Formats: sequence, structure tokens, C-alpha cells
Amino acid sequence: EVQMLDSGGGLVQPGGSLRLSCAASGFTFGISAMSWVRQAPGKGLEWVSTVSASGGTTHYPDSVKGRFTISRDNSKNTLYLQMNSLRAEDTALYYCAKGRYCGGGSCLAFDYWGQGTLVTVSS
Amino acid sequence: DIVMTQSPDSLAVSLGERATINCKSSQSVLYSSNNYLAWYQHKPGQPPKLLFYWASTRESGVPDRFSGSGSGTDFTLTISSLQAEDVAVYYCQQYYSDLVTFGGGTKVEIK
Repeated sequence: EVQMLDSGGGLVQPGGSLRLSCAASGFTFGISAMSWVRQAPGKGLEWVSTVSASGGTTHYPDSVKGRFTISRDNSKNTLYLQMNSLRAEDTALYYCAKGRYCGGGSCLAFDYWGQGTLVTVSS
Repeated sequence: DIVMTQSPDSLAVSLGERATINCKSSQSVLYSSNNYLAWYQHKPGQPPKLLFYWASTRESGVPDRFSGSGSGTDFTLTISSLQAEDVAVYYCQQYYSDLVTFGGGTKVEIK
């Protein structure tokens, strides 16, 4: 059974930092692209970052580029998101998500998701 | 970035009736005969659930009253006979670009 356990959220002041983790099991973590997706209160889904299976390639939208860093430890089956210089607009429920195997490799249709970890940026 | 535009923002459908959700991308997401388009169902308190990838390939376990169609820039999610458990917000998402983008969502309710 696939399990993805998000953790690390909490209340942080503007300008502060947090590190999210996602512990995965039940699938071959080291061959799957992994991503973070967030949902701000009352809003839709927003993609936040992606890391390739090896960890060698990362992608970010402009809204978080330069402030967030995605990484992974394939020996621990764990995904991370280091969030620095946090802003009020980063307040959201953050989900880790697994890229589906689409024949020939992992694609960015997300077939498994964590339950989410809540990040609140407020003074 | 590829912009995904869904319509309508919300719709109310009677039980057993058809629900249709549209999704338009700002550029084609078709490459090598594959449309890099996914659909998700999102219920409160749960993570999103993948319904379709490659625009029309149904994920395992998804009821066949759900169908995905379209190509290029225009896509449709259809629920042929709405059930109470289908009340949710539905999102389309393109993965043609490494910079993944979601549509704004369509809320489906019972009339």
C-alpha cells in the first residue's frame, strides 16, 4: 500500500523558514518524480515544485523561485521542501505528490498524494 | 507558462443527469499523439484524486460514468449520470511543460 506522510507545517512569522518532509512507502521512490502542490484557504490547487527521480533536476514557478528548495533523499524515501523568506501568501495546505509511471518513465500526473501539512505565515 | 482555463466555475446538476466541465489550455498540450492533460476530483478534507491522465486514460478504480475527452487545447470531463458521491471540485492540469499548471477548478453540486 502506498503511503505518503507529510509533516513539518506550523505557524511561522513573515520572513521565517520551515522545512516540510514527506515520508513515502509502498512504491519504488527512487524512480518517481516527486512534487509539492499547495492549496491556499478558499483557493484552488497551485503547483509549487518538482524534483526528478535522481534529484538532479528541479523546477519552480516564479511565485516561489529563489525562496523554496525541493530535495530528496532516496536512501530514506523522503522528500523535502525548504521554505525561506515566507510570506503571508504562502499560507496554505501543502501536499506532496507522486508522479505517475506513464510508460517510459515518470510523468507529472499525480497518482498519490499525502494528506497535507498546514503552513500558516502570520505575525 | 501555460494557462489552464476551466468553465464553468460551478454547476448544479440533478442526480442522474449529465455534468460537463470544460478546460482550455493557452497552448497545445499535444505531443507525439499524447495529450499531457490530467483531471482530478477534490473533496473537502481529502487529497485530490487522479481521475484521468493522457486526457482520456481512466485511472484504476474510477467509475465508468466519468469520461475524459478532447485534444490539443480543448478538453472535457463528463459525468454521465451524477451521483451524490460525485459532489466535489474538479481540476484539470497540464504536464506538457515542466512548469505544471492547474485550472481554477469547477465545483459540482446537486440541484
